[in-house]
Amino acid sequence: TQLLEQSPQFLSIQEGENLTVYCNSSSVFSSLQWYRQEPGEGPVLLVTVVTGGEVKKLKRLTFQFGDARKDSSLHITAAQPGDTGLYLCAGGGFQKLVFGTGTRLLVSP
Amino acid sequence: KAGVTQTPRYLIKTRGQQVTLSCSPISGHRSVSWYQQTPGQGLQFLFEYFSETQRNKGNFPGRFSGRQFSNSRSEMNVSTLELGDSALYLCASSIDRSGELFFGEGSRLTVL
Repeated sequence: TQLLEQSPQFLSIQEGENLTVYCNSSSVFSSLQWYRQEPGEGPVLLVTVVTGGEVKKLKRLTFQFGDARKDSSLHITAAQPGDTGLYLCAGGGFQKLVFGTGTRLLVSP
Repeated sequence: KAGVTQTPRYLIKTRGQQVTLSCSPISGHRSVSWYQQTPGQGLQFLFEYFSETQRNKGNFPGRFSGRQFSNSRSEMNVSTLELGDSALYLCASSIDRSGELFFGEGSRLTVL
């Protein structure tokens, strides 16, 4: 069974701080996705990484896929209150996603 | 264009009852997947439908079932409800089986 562990589980920071969320597994994934879910809504895809060592940037968000394709990280620079939400990594292909345990981020003004 | 629509948004049932949840995918999307989200287990895959056929199934008991209609709309059914079935049930659609998933807002089921 493929499992994805995220850390930290909870993160409460002030606006302007930087943060990194980690997604780790003992299994190799062909690709990993990162989602953000806000209260009362479904997850929204942020990015897909497919190549080991790949780095993708989405404005203030930087995503990295580990060389061995077993882990990934999400770095947010100068966090804003609008970044508040549940961040989820997921892998295993769009047909049958395995989701990570989630990181709940709260950014206070 | 309209997103994924799930109905009902909220419902309360008692143990032993059954429930049917509905999902209308984005127009033109042919694949529909269902996920269960709980605080303890997180998001877990239930099943995936494409062209009215179940293509993948998660590790859930047979009380959980689903189907897809010719217009790609999908329903899932949970029979003999248990307290542990209380969860947010999310439906996601994609244009085909390899495309990005677009999630609905979910149906929040409470079992008393």
